[in-house]
Amino acid sequence: QITLKESGPTLVKPTQTLTLTCTFSGFSLSTSGVGVGWIRQPPGKALEWLALIYWNDDKRYSPSLKSRLTITKDTSKNQVVLTMTNMDPVDTATYYCAHVYVDTAMAYFDYWGQGTLVTVSS
Amino acid sequence: SSELTQDPAVSVALGQTVRITCQGDSLRSYYASWYQQKPGQAPVLVIYGKNNRPSGIPDRFSGSSSGNTASLTITGAQAEDEADYYCNSRDSSGNPHWVFGGGTKLTVL
Repeated sequence: QITLKESGPTLVKPTQTLTLTCTFSGFSLSTSGVGVGWIRQPPGKALEWLALIYWNDDKRYSPSLKSRLTITKDTSKNQVVLTMTNMDPVDTATYYCAHVYVDTAMAYFDYWGQGTLVTVSS
Repeated sequence: SSELTQDPAVSVALGQTVRITCQGDSLRSYYASWYQQKPGQAPVLVIYGKNNRPSGIPDRFSGSSSGNTASLTITGAQAEDEADYYCNSRDSSGNPHWVFGGGTKLTVL
C-alpha cells in the first residue's frame, strides 16, 4: 500500500528557505512511469502545482515559481525533497506531496500525503 | 495558455445529476484528472484518463472530454458528494508542466 508523508518546519521567517521532505513507502521512484509531485494550498484557496520529479530524474517546475524551487530525490531513502527560497507570507499554505503515474495517454496524482501547514511570519 | 478554468460553485438537488466542467487548451492534448477535497482533508483522485475510476470510487462518478473541455458528472448526487472538485492536467505550452483548475464548490441541496 502506498503512503506518503510530508515533514518540515511549521513556521519560517520571511526571506528564509523552506525545506520539505516527502517520505514514502509502497513504491519505488526508480520504476518507469512513476513520479512524486508537490502541490500547495493557501488557506481557503485552490490547489497549486509546484514541482514534480520523475523516475528518470526529469524535473518539472511551476513556471511562476521556477526560480525559487528545487526538487531532488533520494531513491535509497524513499524521499523527495523540495526547497523553496525567499519565503514570503503569501507562501503560507498546506504543502502536499503526491505519487504520480504517467504514461503517454494519461497522468494523475493517485496517492496524497496528509499535508503539512507552513506559516510564513516574522 | 496554461490555465484550467472551472465554475467557482455549482449546486445540485439530492439524487439529481450534476456536471462540473473544466476548460483549457491543454485539454486538447491531455486527459484531465479530477480530485475531490472535503474540508480539512487531502484531495482524493476520483477520475483519471478517458473515464477511469480508482478502486473505491462509486460508479456515480464519470468523466468525459470534448475539445478543450473536460467534464466530471455525478449521476444521483449524494450528500457526501458535497465537496470541492479540482481538475488537473499536464500542459505542454512552453516548458512542460502541470496545472490545476481553480476548483468548483459543489453544494448538494
